[in-house]
Amino acid sequence: DAGVTQSPTHLIKTRGQQVTLRCSPKSGHDTVSWYQQALGQGPQFIFQYYEEEERQRGNFPDRFSGHQFPNYSSEQNVNAVLLGDSALYLCAISPGQGSEKLFFGSGTQLSVL
Amino acid sequence: GEDVEQSLFLSVREGDSSVINCTYTDSSSTYLYWYKQEPGAGLQLLTYIFSNMDMKQDQRLTVLLNKKDKHLSLRIADTQTGDSAIYFCAESSHSGNTGKLIFGQGTTLQVKP
Repeated sequence: DAGVTQSPTHLIKTRGQQVTLRCSPKSGHDTVSWYQQALGQGPQFIFQYYEEEERQRGNFPDRFSGHQFPNYSSEQNVNAVLLGDSALYLCAISPGQGSEKLFFGSGTQLSVL
Repeated sequence: GEDVEQSLFLSVREGDSSVINCTYTDSSSTYLYWYKQEPGAGLQLLTYIFSNMDMKQDQRLTVLLNKKDKHLSLRIADTQTGDSAIYFCAESSHSGNTGKLIFGQGTTLQVKP
């Protein structure tokens, strides 16, 4: 058990719609990072949240945004989805700043038609 | 920029050793990781090594790091059919903040009975 739950597991949207993905770490895991994994590729870093603030951001457009709540859970929003946004979206948790370990959830598979 | 490269495919017979190789470009990498991904699943952290070490052993897994050549390898002893999966190498260059990892494309390991 990686200690992180993601929902939903699958999502189908049409171009232009908005999506919301959710990530719930178990207690004690306060740093949340989001990754996008396209088919046949390695995961790419989107952004990271710690203490409810975005701390780092990868090379993704502003259509990708996120939020972290006081209980450390996180949401990622993607506005006006494109066909190219179809991918597995992974949430990863660290047991606190300074930890070298990063544990991944099972992901949300987004399909854009 | 930062880049991580892996060979795409490796096939071995059950009981043999598997060696998966990875090269990276960022000389400031602090931690290097190996993750395993089975079909339809998230990433499972297998092992990781701090950049000032050159070897780490964990049961059937041996990680070798050649920092001068920026080369990382994962050896799996007595490979089993259950080891068939995609293996990702990743590096982190942010000391004390592990959320952002740079991943390779993944190596598909096929284990033949």
